[in-house]
Amino acid sequence: SAVISQKPSRDICQRGTSLTIQCQVDSQVTMMFWYRQQPGQSLTLIATANQGSEATYESGFVIDKFPISRPNLTFSTLTVSNMSPEDSSIYLCSAHGGNTEAFFGQGTRLTVV
Amino acid sequence: GEDVEQSLFLSVREGDSSVINCTYTDSSSTYLYWYKQEPGAGLQLLTYIFSNMDMKQDQRLTVLLNKKDKHLSLRIADTQTGDSAIYFCAEKGDSGAGSYQLTFGKGTKLSVIP
Repeated sequence: SAVISQKPSRDICQRGTSLTIQCQVDSQVTMMFWYRQQPGQSLTLIATANQGSEATYESGFVIDKFPISRPNLTFSTLTVSNMSPEDSSIYLCSAHGGNTEAFFGQGTRLTVV
Repeated sequence: GEDVEQSLFLSVREGDSSVINCTYTDSSSTYLYWYKQEPGAGLQLLTYIFSNMDMKQDQRLTVLLNKKDKHLSLRIADTQTGDSAIYFCAEKGDSGAGSYQLTFGKGTKLSVIP
């Protein structure tokens, strides 16, 4: 199994600022994803983090708002830009090592005030 | 798009069995997953089942899959207070080479009464 570390685990941010969330996997993985979980809701996929190329965004999410980096097979970052209170959510990093198991980080709980 | 449905709440007494149900619409689903989320925590992978299986057992957990009806269930035997959490059902479709995206249900909040 893969162990995924996310940081920060939580943050309270002022509106209009940006926050970068880091995701580190303890082994090389094929795919990395970023999800958002709004209060009381299920998980919504934001984007697939592609190693060495631009991320693939889902409908409703854009690069300017959620820039993503993936410089290698074990690390990715998600930035939440120009934050507003509507961005208050849990942000989760996920990794797949092969074709079966999908693992998640512990999440970053973001509150925008 | 594909859809995954779960009931939102389940309450059981400690020591009883819990059964959490899930239905999905994607007929090309290859893997189906159950995740557990405790308050303030991320998602913990509990178990998964390949679509050509109809049952998988792992200690207190039993997963049943009815592929014809697109119905998945998670049975927790001898439910304990530590099992109180939100349980998410997720499916992975087969939308081409390299597709690993999961579609999640809204989660079932399991409350265990001592």
